[in-house]
Amino acid sequence: DIQMTQSPSSLSASVGDRVTITCRASQSISSYLNWYQQKPGKAPKLLIYAASSLQSGVPSRFSGSGSGTDFTLTISSLQPEDFATYYCQQSYSLYTFGQGTKLEIK
Amino acid sequence: QVQLVQSGAEVKKPGASVKVSCKASGYTFTSYYMHWVRQAPGQGLEWMGIINPSGGSTSYAQKFQGRVTMTRDTSTSTVYMELSSLRSEDTAVYYCARGSLTTRLGTPLHYFDYWGQGTLVTVSS
Repeated sequence: DIQMTQSPSSLSASVGDRVTITCRASQSISSYLNWYQQKPGKAPKLLIYAASSLQSGVPSRFSGSGSGTDFTLTISSLQPEDFATYYCQQSYSLYTFGQGTKLEIK
Repeated sequence: QVQLVQSGAEVKKPGASVKVSCKASGYTFTSYYMHWVRQAPGQGLEWMGIINPSGGSTSYAQKFQGRVTMTRDTSTSTVYMELSSLRSEDTAVYYCARGSLTTRLGTPLHYFDYWGQGTLVTVSS
């Protein structure tokens, strides 16, 4: 099974900050990597698919990069509505999610 | 607009079964696979399996093999997930999610673009 490890597990930041979340796969997964945002009591929402493609309707301050085993999600300027938990997911071999990164207000 | 509407919360006793439904609308039901994902309280996301609404074929995560069954009803655009031999560790919110794909250099890349609202299943004696 492919394991996905996110870092950090939690992060405190301020509105306007630039934030980067990292996801590492236990083996190469090419660009089979997606990012989701989840707010408390809500279903996950797709942000980025295929490592770097922005889902329709998602603000351009979100971006994704990486290939192989190392990936990043970047939020260029944090907005109040961005405080949530973020998950990466591999779709190279079945589907596995990272453990999540909780982004909190500093 | 695409909508996935799930059935309501359930409370079950250990050893029982639960069947959760997910009704799709706003797109051609048989053109997209459907996944099931669960989330235990305060925990992360766990993929359970996938069903092809067109032919009904399924693939399940090894962890759930023998306990989970996914079916569909094309007449009502509804998929179902039944989990048997419930135990307390199965207490979770269960989500259906539509599977989409894009291609890059001929390679299909899969992702989950729409999600149901979730169904809380509580297993308690």
